[in-house]
Amino acid sequence: AQSVAQPEDQVNVAEGNPLTVKCTYSVSGNPYLFWYVQYPNRGLQFLLKYITGDNLVKGSYGFEAEFNKSQTSFHLKKPSALVSDSALYFCAVRDDEGGSYIPTFGRGTSLIVHP
Amino acid sequence: DGGITQSPKYLFRKEGQNVTLSCEQNLNHDAMYWYRQDPGQGLRLIYYSQIVNDFQKGDIAEGYSVSREKKESFPLTVTSAQKNPTAFYLCASSDRDPVPYEQYFGPGTRLTVT
Repeated sequence: AQSVAQPEDQVNVAEGNPLTVKCTYSVSGNPYLFWYVQYPNRGLQFLLKYITGDNLVKGSYGFEAEFNKSQTSFHLKKPSALVSDSALYFCAVRDDEGGSYIPTFGRGTSLIVHP
Repeated sequence: DGGITQSPKYLFRKEGQNVTLSCEQNLNHDAMYWYRQDPGQGLRLIYYSQIVNDFQKGDIAEGYSVSREKKESFPLTVTSAQKNPTAFYLCASSDRDPVPYEQYFGPGTRLTVT
């Protein structure tokens, strides 16, 4: 079985400060992990994914995420936040065991970047 | 949103009417998906299709139906049996497994039933 948790409904950060949006997961085998961003009344846009290899994954718009197997986490980070980063962020996981290729999405974390 | 179109963007219907949401993609993807998004609940899978003429129920398929007659198209019908149809509906597509490809999402259709 696969599951994902985003423990924070909302994250507030000042522009120019580093940001972190948290994601933890649970799988039976190995995880495939994804981050997406959603702007108001729009569809989701893919940011980055972890399949295998380097634990630090770099993605679009300056975002990166660190895969930590021992902590079962895949937190999204950015060194310097922009007001335009304000959006809803979703983490998703797929288990490489079990035969399902459908990812499970977290509930989402609203990121608010203050000027 | 590139490559996937959903229409209309806003849809209003009276209770008891069936309504069909359109989803078209030109990405040549084999797999397509329908999700429902409600505030604070993330995305919930309604139906998915891996190839033409085949589709599978997701977690909340009751009250919905789909068809996949063409690779490019995956329309969703919200029937009168759906108890609470007002929501934001998202269509997505991806390349087919076994490689874990990311999904591409359409801009969504906001359905309001009164």
